[in-house]
Amino acid sequence: GAGVSQSPRYKVAKRGQDVALRCDPISGHVSLFWYQQALGQGPEFLTYFQNEAQLDKSGLPSDRFFAERPEGSVSTLKIQRTQQEDSAVYLCASSLDPSKGAEEQYFGPGTRLTVT
Amino acid sequence: QKEVEQNSGPLSVPEGAIASLNCTYSDRGSQSFFWYRQYSGKSPELIMSIYSNGDKEDGRFTAQLNKASQYVSLLIRDSQPSDSATYLCAVNIPYSGAGSYQLTFGKGTKLSVIP
Repeated sequence: GAGVSQSPRYKVAKRGQDVALRCDPISGHVSLFWYQQALGQGPEFLTYFQNEAQLDKSGLPSDRFFAERPEGSVSTLKIQRTQQEDSAVYLCASSLDPSKGAEEQYFGPGTRLTVT
Repeated sequence: QKEVEQNSGPLSVPEGAIASLNCTYSDRGSQSFFWYRQYSGKSPELIMSIYSNGDKEDGRFTAQLNKASQYVSLLIRDSQPSDSATYLCAVNIPYSGAGSYQLTFGKGTKLSVIP
């Protein structure tokens, strides 16, 4: 079946521009996660949704970062007034329902954001 | 500080040998452990999950968990050049408050399998 999809795959933004990154999770997956991965590092947690509820946003680095999942399926990560330090790969992952033991997270291909 | 530690490598093994990848974690309350494989320029791919002490085998892969020592490992038998990748250890470190299933990742170990 279809996996997690993300768009765009690559995004170049000028410093100060706003960007929106989209994630389409595996059908039926209740939980959705956003991670940020810098070169040579492991992914770092940004935020987590259970259906449409954003249960944990402790990893968002600043108030310029905002995520939503209004209908409990597709999610958008928005970064306002992008800065060079925002350059990274943004990964989306979904899991079936970790509250019921189905914790395995499956990652999408990622969006590589470059801020110039 | 909630941490997951891995040797960054590179770890080089000859084709056909056993590759052993190790990971330690800081929080004794951790319950769920995962190994991901990441090829250069690609996203992480789930290989194994393990939740109980002991060994779990899946094909050429064996995950080992020792909660008392806060240690989890991945063994790859009969290593192939196609196994050359970075292997990420990920741990669900529990936080207080509303349940969160975020994963904390190590920096990864780069494995090279030499033909």
